[in-house]
Amino acid sequence: GAVVSQHPSRVICKSGTSVKIECRSLDFQATTMFWYRQFPKQSLMLMATSNEGSKATYEQGVEKDKFLINHASLTLSTLTVTSAHPEDSSFYICSARAPLNEQYFGPGTRLTVT
Amino acid sequence: AQTVTQSQPEMSVQEAETVTLSCTYDTSESDYYLFWYKQPPSRQMILVIRQEAYKQQNATENRFSVNFQKAAKSFSLKISDSQLGDAAMYFCAYRSKRPNAGNNRKLIWGLGTSLGVNP
Repeated sequence: GAVVSQHPSRVICKSGTSVKIECRSLDFQATTMFWYRQFPKQSLMLMATSNEGSKATYEQGVEKDKFLINHASLTLSTLTVTSAHPEDSSFYICSARAPLNEQYFGPGTRLTVT
Repeated sequence: AQTVTQSQPEMSVQEAETVTLSCTYDTSESDYYLFWYKQPPSRQMILVIRQEAYKQQNATENRFSVNFQKAAKSFSLKISDSQLGDAAMYFCAYRSKRPNAGNNRKLIWGLGTSLGVNP
């Protein structure tokens, strides 16, 4: 099956710093990518939908200035958590939609803000 | 708006036995996709099975099969001959097929069912 990678898999940062998470579709072009946040033992919460070459669409309640999403190419989307705080600590998952509409998920990034 | 409900937060099954996970959904649309995803402890989300609403035949993938009851808006997952590796969170999800659906037809998720497999 199609592969989506995320980097880094784990990151620890200090409060007030920014962290960038990369999401790549390795063997297909993804015009649409999704960013999710998942708390322990909970479902996925969609944060935003990004389309290549255009601005991301954020879900209600998600601060677009805090969670910057860039989808600069058909195989790469990035999520930057700006001025991170401990409450931003979470598991972040990206997903990419393949040409036949299947949606593939990255392995996730665990962010810890100290 | 569409919703997905998984009423069983936790379930367990004996190895080699069969277990059924329930999922109901609400929609006014006539054609859509339904999915079951598995999330093992590694947290990598894996597609287990997909069903298109216009297809009456229930989807199957090896030991995994669904019971799709469109009129009842029910989409249960049956796991046969359960294995230890089946232990995971299982999420049911819905996605619209409408071309103009909002947010590029995003997945609507249930809350998940945690499945334990006893040796």
